[in-house]
Amino acid sequence: TQLLEQSPQFLSIQEGENLTVYCNSSSVFSSLQWYRQEPGEGPVLLVTVVTGGEVKKLKRLTFQFGDARKDSSLHITAAQPGDTGLYLCAGAGGYGNKLVFGAGTILRVKS
Amino acid sequence: DAGVIQSPRHEVTEMGQEVTLRCKPISGHNSLFWYRQTMMRGLELLIYFNNNVPIDDSGMPEDRFSAKMPNASFSTLKIQPSEPRDSAVYFCASSLHRGDTGANVLTFGAGSRLTVL
Repeated sequence: TQLLEQSPQFLSIQEGENLTVYCNSSSVFSSLQWYRQEPGEGPVLLVTVVTGGEVKKLKRLTFQFGDARKDSSLHITAAQPGDTGLYLCAGAGGYGNKLVFGAGTILRVKS
Repeated sequence: DAGVIQSPRHEVTEMGQEVTLRCKPISGHNSLFWYRQTMMRGLELLIYFNNNVPIDDSGMPEDRFSAKMPNASFSTLKIQPSEPRDSAVYFCASSLHRGDTGANVLTFGAGSRLTVL
């Protein structure tokens, strides 16, 4: 069974601060995705990384896939209250159809 | 497209009752997934279908749970009989899987919050 561990579980910061969320596994994934979920809604895809060492930027969010494709990180620069939510990483193995999710990181950005 | 549509959004029932959750995937998507989310266990994959065929149901907790996909536009997840520990938010998601090693992008519904008393 492929398991994804996310850290930290909970993060409360002030507006304007930077933060990094980590997603680690002992398994190799063919791709890894990050989702964001708000209360009362389903997760929404933020980004997909496929190549080891890949870095993708989405405005103030920077996503990195580890060289060995076992881990990933999400860095948010100058966090805003609108960034508040549950951040989930999800890994796919093999032919990529089955996604396994980490437990998530709850982010709260205070104004 | 209206996205993935789930019903009901909320259900409160008593232990022992049958519960049926419904899902309409995005038109044209060929894969459908049922997930369960709780605070303790996070988001767990229960079962997924490719082209209406169940591929992996290893996440289904026990025989009380069953899922069907009679056609490409409809799926149900049934719990009979329901128990308090089944209380959770159940999500349906769909995707267009290309059958290669490319990443599978899931679009989730808003979820069905189930409370079993």
